[in-house]
Amino acid sequence: QVQLQQSGPGLVKPSQTLSLTCAISGDSVSSNIVAWNWIRQSPSRGLEWLGRTYYRSKWYNDYAIFVKSRITINPDTSKNQFSLQLNSVTPEDTAVYYCVRGVDSSLDYWGQGTLVTVSS
Amino acid sequence: DVVMTQSPLSLPVTLGQPASISCRSSQSLVYSDGNTHLSWFQQRPGQSPRRLIYKVSNRDSGVPDRFSGSGSGTDFTLRISRVEAEDVGVYYCMQATHWPWTFGQGTKVEIK
Repeated sequence: QVQLQQSGPGLVKPSQTLSLTCAISGDSVSSNIVAWNWIRQSPSRGLEWLGRTYYRSKWYNDYAIFVKSRITINPDTSKNQFSLQLNSVTPEDTAVYYCVRGVDSSLDYWGQGTLVTVSS
Repeated sequence: DVVMTQSPLSLPVTLGQPASISCRSSQSLVYSDGNTHLSWFQQRPGQSPRRLIYKVSNRDSGVPDRFSGSGSGTDFTLRISRVEAEDVGVYYCMQATHWPWTFGQGTKVEIK
């Protein structure tokens, strides 16, 4: 059974960097048949796919255009986890952030979600 | 981006009665390999989304058979044959045929 455990601060100041980590159990971040995604949810914008990292003989990343200049998703093979960094945050980045496993063009296992509030 | 439009946005239902949610996409969701990457998710209050259906009509393991998905091209439907109290929540469709993947705005199912 795949489980995703998220960690990271729930409060970030404007202009600073949002950082979250997703620890994987029951699968490998280096699997060559899945992808590891970050998705966020807010009342105003609903569910938004932010980006993903995946391994296919080498590491790849895909990012949503609206955050591409500010986002980094990195795998950590030593800890079997992956991370999200979102720079220069504003109050509009306030949302619940989820890490999610992607397989065969769908999303199956979700983390528990982390409410991140951007406020001074 | 592909726009996913769900209707209705709110669906009051009587226990034991059927329910149906529509999801329409702004472009065909048929991929070049012939697959249609349309999924349905259930989000119960206070929980993370849970996938119910993938590739239009394939039910996930552990999902009750009262849930079914159908459709093709740009028009899709999630049906609950007999609503139970545990089905209360918000239901989302998601397309993964075109980048970026996009979600519907959600349909809130509540008991009358």
